[in-house]
Amino acid sequence: DGGITQSPKYLFRKEGQNVTLSCEQNLNHDAMYWYRQDPGQGLRLIYYSQIVNDFQKGDIAEGYSVSREKKESFPLTVTSAQKNPTAFYLCASSIDSLSSYEQYFGPGTRLTVT
Amino acid sequence: KQEVTQIPAALSVPEGENLVLNCSFTDSAIYNLQWFRQDPGKGLTSLLLIQSSQREQTSGRLNASLDKSSGRSTLYIAASQPGDSATYLCAVPSGATNKLIFGTGTLLAVQP
Repeated sequence: DGGITQSPKYLFRKEGQNVTLSCEQNLNHDAMYWYRQDPGQGLRLIYYSQIVNDFQKGDIAEGYSVSREKKESFPLTVTSAQKNPTAFYLCASSIDSLSSYEQYFGPGTRLTVT
Repeated sequence: KQEVTQIPAALSVPEGENLVLNCSFTDSAIYNLQWFRQDPGKGLTSLLLIQSSQREQTSGRLNASLDKSSGRSTLYIAASQPGDSATYLCAVPSGATNKLIFGTGTLLAVQP
């Protein structure tokens, strides 16, 4: 089955710790995205990658970092510099980064930092 | 700066009703508009993608229309069922790239 997987589904961390969220896709898509969802707000773009070894900041990149060493994988690290890390994190992909293509989403990771 | 608004924020209807969800956007120069469904605690499921050159798209009981000049899209759900209960989100790309800008969604409850 083709799709996007995110792990883990739930993640709990203590304040001050870095944590890495996994995102893998087997759709052979070039473009991948990370969004954050908070209650009562729309999804907001954190980082995106148009191709392997390339990525750009989205609207709320502060306190986050990413890497894109393989086409299939786009992990997101939430660092201790992120002031409000508790949120639902969604990974997505599309054939490429042009606007004409449909975007597909993974099941999400809920991160709770206490 | 593109802004996307969805009205109403919540909607409750009895089973079998036809209903319309609304999405508006401030910058009409969009390449497409995508409608998603989100169940509680889950990821987004793509429902329909309307290209800027299209007026509407249909998938089963769902029909989405797009009026770029007025900055509006509607999602029509025919003969609603309890299984349609979810949050419905619309999104448009930011400029020529596929960075999506989302509305805050409409929470739909279909009562049996």
